[in-house]
Amino acid sequence: DTGVSQDPRHKITKRGQNVTFRCDPISEHNRLYWYRQTLGQGPEFLTYFQNEAQLEKSRLLSDRFSAERPKGSFSTLEIQRTEQGDSAMYLCASSLATEGGYTFGSGTRLTVV
Amino acid sequence: AQSVTQLDSQVPVFEEAPVELRCNYSSSVSVYLFWYVQYPNQGLQLLLKYLSGSTLVKGINGFEAEFNKSQTSFHLRKPSVHISDTAEYFCAALKDNAGNMLTFGGGTRLMVKP
Repeated sequence: DTGVSQDPRHKITKRGQNVTFRCDPISEHNRLYWYRQTLGQGPEFLTYFQNEAQLEKSRLLSDRFSAERPKGSFSTLEIQRTEQGDSAMYLCASSLATEGGYTFGSGTRLTVV
Repeated sequence: AQSVTQLDSQVPVFEEAPVELRCNYSSSVSVYLFWYVQYPNQGLQLLLKYLSGSTLVKGINGFEAEFNKSQTSFHLRKPSVHISDTAEYFCAALKDNAGNMLTFGGGTRLMVKP
């Protein structure tokens, strides 16, 4: 296992379109996290899964955002009706035990034009 | 509320000089503390972590950090930096009884000059 994989690495979309990102965590990790990072800022928490259950969601996750982890393995993050303010790096991370720190993927950079 | 403050947005330093990147956290309970490094167009890589025990924590690439409970600080240090250390560094904290959310500071850009 080579770590956390995210696909695609880059996505350019027109405002109003829907986009979906995929994250494949480290296989033995049961926890999966989504973060958003805008230019010059630290990552901001979006949501967290333990196995297939979505246990926590940030207020940043508006109703246009939805995340799933149907079989407790890979996860998808969908953004509907994208807005220019959604332009950011979307980071996925996984962990086995919270105290150990997360392993992050390389991120998906979204540009909404 | 948990917050993490990185006092310097940019730190320029000459190659082979020592460096300290400052991080303060606010919390009324025990925390777990982390430093991550981010190279351009990449994700975050864990440098080191403090969970408990010795307050001096050694990490990868020659970095170390010291947990200071009285000053609520977790500053990152390296005695001699290399050009390859040029990157963005993030301090993060996890409150042990507030779910599983890492809270990040705003980041410090370390710029190593030849």
